Amino acid sequence: SAVISQKPSRDICQRGTSLTIQCQVDSQVTMMFWYRQQPGQSLTLIATANQGSEATYESGFVIDKFPISRPNLTFSTLTVSNMSPEDSSIYLCSVEIDSTEAFFGQGTRLTVV
Amino acid sequence: EDQVTQSPEALRLQEGESSSLNCSYTVSGLRGLFWYRQDPGKGPEFLFTLYSAGEEKEKERLKATLTKKESFLHITAPKPEDSATYLCAVEGYGQNFVFGPGTRLSVLP
Repeated sequence: SAVISQKPSRDICQRGTSLTIQCQVDSQVTMMFWYRQQPGQSLTLIATANQGSEATYESGFVIDKFPISRPNLTFSTLTVSNMSPEDSSIYLCSVEIDSTEAFFGQGTRLTVV
Repeated sequence: EDQVTQSPEALRLQEGESSSLNCSYTVSGLRGLFWYRQDPGKGPEFLFTLYSAGEEKEKERLKATLTKKESFLHITAPKPEDSATYLCAVEGYGQNFVFGPGTRLSVLP
């Protein structure tokens, strides 16, 4: 199993600013995923972050807006850049173990005002 | 503290053998309960969101129901392609997302 610590758990930010979300895992994992859940909508994959390579972004998400770092096998960050109210959402970090089990952080509830 | 449990942990069915998966939850104010399907090596695929007790939603061979304490995912006449891990998650007013451990479903031809 894996225990994921995600920080911050929530934040209120001014538009135009940036927020970096951290995801720390208690074991080494190859694949880490970043998701967004906007109010009333389903979980949407932003990008897949593998250690040692560039993150792979899904359609509709770009690196300039959501830069991701993956410096080692236990840690990743997602930055939400130049925020607008439309970025208000819950952001979730997830990891996969042995390509069979997925574990999720508790999420970061972001409100942009 | 918000909690989600799922049962059974793993389930093996013969093709055509209907069954139900359970998601039990405790949450301080339910915003929504979500069901996802996850295939190995892929991210969760959204299935349903349920918001209030008594609500039901259907999609092909799947039907999700919700009470104040639990949700069921009913699978009618499953096929091998329904094999996956089914995840349940709740979003509460006091906490963000809490995911259950999932049920690994195998449907044998």
